[in-house]
Amino acid sequence: AQKVTQAQTEISVVEKEDVTLDCVYETRDTTYYLFWYKQPPSGELVFLIRRNSFDEQNEISGRYSWNFQKSTSSFNFTITASQVVDSAVYFCALSFYNAGNMLTFGGGTRLMVKP
Amino acid sequence: EPEVTQTPSHQVTQMGQEVILRCVPISNHLYFYWYRQILGQKVEFLVSFYNNEISEKSEIFDDQFSVERPDGSNFTLKIRSTKLEDSAMYFCASWGGQGNTGELFFGEGSRLTVL
Repeated sequence: AQKVTQAQTEISVVEKEDVTLDCVYETRDTTYYLFWYKQPPSGELVFLIRRNSFDEQNEISGRYSWNFQKSTSSFNFTITASQVVDSAVYFCALSFYNAGNMLTFGGGTRLMVKP
Repeated sequence: EPEVTQTPSHQVTQMGQEVILRCVPISNHLYFYWYRQILGQKVEFLVSFYNNEISEKSEIFDDQFSVERPDGSNFTLKIRSTKLEDSAMYFCASWGGQGNTGELFFGEGSRLTVL
């Protein structure tokens, strides 16, 4: 069975601080995808990133960066110089590409960025 | 950019009534999904649909639920006799299938309130 754990339920930072959201996953499969989604107060799910299990390179996209470490089964997400617009719930998720790509979501981390 | 559209955005119903939530997936996609998010909780997989039949379903997806692709474009979720605990945001998603990227495209959600 697969499982995604986001231990931080809520994080509060002041604007311009860096913040890291943790994600730990469990799976027996060797081929899988990891995702991060953002859910702003309006409620939609906004895709941020997808990594496959064979690609452990870290990725940077503007103020966002992701650290994938298979050795610790973690896929952490860092926002540099946070802004108020980053306030949202962030979900980490896991899927098995060859099994119909169903997503298993973590419980989410609510990030509040204060001005 | 192609997108998944859902209607209605919000529906209020009385307990015991039937509800149909509608989704128009991306036109050349092959896999369709419904996910549910009870307020303040994580996003949970309900069902996946491929080749005109259910390919996977979770334990949440009991006999009260059904899905259908009545024509070439719509994908519907029916709840036969709604219960208070069915109140949630329901997300439709679609995927292009093998040979495509692993990204699921989500709709903006349909909020169901059962009174």
